[in-house]
Amino acid sequence: DIQMTQSPSSLSASVGDRVTITCRASQSISNYLNWYQQKPGKAPKLLIYVASTLQSGVPSRFSGSGSGTDFTLTIASLQPEDFATYYCQQSFSTPLGTFGQGTKVEVK
Amino acid sequence: EVQLVESGGGLVQPGGSLRLSCAASGFTFRSYNMNWVRQAPGKGLEWVSYISSSSGTIYYTDSLKGRFTISRDNAKNSLYLQMNSLRAEDTAVYYCARDKLELPLVFDSWGQGTLVTVSS
Repeated sequence: DIQMTQSPSSLSASVGDRVTITCRASQSISNYLNWYQQKPGKAPKLLIYVASTLQSGVPSRFSGSGSGTDFTLTIASLQPEDFATYYCQQSFSTPLGTFGQGTKVEVK
Repeated sequence: EVQLVESGGGLVQPGGSLRLSCAASGFTFRSYNMNWVRQAPGKGLEWVSYISSSSGTIYYTDSLKGRFTISRDNAKNSLYLQMNSLRAEDTAVYYCARDKLELPLVFDSWGQGTLVTVSS
C-alpha cells in the first residue's frame, strides 16, 4: 500500500514568511499528487493538482513541485488567511485517494 | 455556482444503519465522478468511496469490508452512501466531493459535510 507522509506535522510562521511543506510517498506516484487547504470547521479546498497545477482562483503565492516520491508545497509569502491545515493526497494507485496526515500552519 | 449539500447524518447506535445524501446543483451532475471523504473528530482526511459518472465503476477503501454502499441518481442530481453495521470508528464528518473532469480522485468541489456519530 502507498503511504503518504507529510513533514512537518506543524509549523509556526509569521505573515510574510516563505513556508515549505513536504510530502513523501512510500513508492513512486509519478505526478499524481494534490494539495488541499482546510480551515477549522470548513471543508477542504483544492489548491494544487498533479503536483504543480494551480487550481483556478488560488493565489499565485501557492506553488507545488516534485515527482516520483518527493513533493513540496510552497507558500511564497504567508498571508493571514493562509493559517490552516494542509494535506497532500495521492491519486495514482490503491489504496485510492490516500491523504497525508496533515500539516498545521500556525501563527508564530 | 457549484453546490454540494449533504444530509442524513446524526446519532446512531453501534450496529445501526444510516443513509447519507448529497444534493448537487450548479453543474451537470451526470458528467462527473463523485466521492465520499470522511474526517474523524480532530483527525485527518480519509477517502471512503468513489463512483463514476455512469455508476459503472465503484471503489471503496479497504477498511469498510463491505459495510457501505455508494450510489447515485443522475435524474435527481443526488449521491448516496448507505452505511450498515456502523461502528464507533465510523464517527466522522462525511463530505461528498466532486472529481475534476478527466482527473479521477482530484476533488475540486466539496460539500459542507454531515456529522455521523456512532455511540450507544
